[in-house]
Amino acid sequence: NAGVTQTPKFQVLKTGQSMTLQCAQDMNHEYMSWYRQDPGMGLRLIHYSVGAGITDQGEVPNGYNVSRSTTEDFPLRLLSAAPSQTSVYFCASSSRLAGGGRSTGELFFGEGSRLTVL
Amino acid sequence: RKEVEQDPGPFNVPEGATVAFNCTYSNSASQSFFWYRQDCRKEPKLLMSVYSSGNEDGRFTAQLNRASQYISLLIRDSKLSDSATYLCVVKRAAGNKLTFGGGTRVLVKP
Repeated sequence: NAGVTQTPKFQVLKTGQSMTLQCAQDMNHEYMSWYRQDPGMGLRLIHYSVGAGITDQGEVPNGYNVSRSTTEDFPLRLLSAAPSQTSVYFCASSSRLAGGGRSTGELFFGEGSRLTVL
Repeated sequence: RKEVEQDPGPFNVPEGATVAFNCTYSNSASQSFFWYRQDCRKEPKLLMSVYSSGNEDGRFTAQLNRASQYISLLIRDSKLSDSATYLCVVKRAAGNKLTFGGGTRVLVKP
């Protein structure tokens, strides 16, 4: 059972480079999201999607782009990496959040991608 | 002020003891509440939802106090395997976003 798969697990970039973090889920979840986790800051929402073709900004969207061409995939693009983007990135999906309202609140997370920008 | 705040800890707990900690939230429109658990260098996983009347799941008890805008988690008979960071998560009535607290670290020691 794959669940949510993120790649790469580790990446080192130089300032100004671009890259894409891949995320795929095989649970047919409508809702997918990207978080970054920094010490003492908790998980902060970058972008999310409630279905194919629909994306929206979260709390910290600047410097990141997303697209949702299929239900399964939700890649996160760093356009021009900056040291402030050094973080652990988590992709997560849910079957219940897409509709808003009451929710089980269960997000299924990938294993995380550790990104260092020099 | 952060929307969801937690004492970062660590809470050092002897094995077999009880530990409890709170999480405060600032938005009175918050509707749904959850506790997630995150092991070191791992992804978060849902521990339990928090219901208005309070709820238990084995050794874990969650409470909600809407008047004072906080939720709590109590762990009884702590096990070494309970060592983790516990994340408080809040969802507003409208929208699709979950807001995470910074986490409370719990260390259970023999």
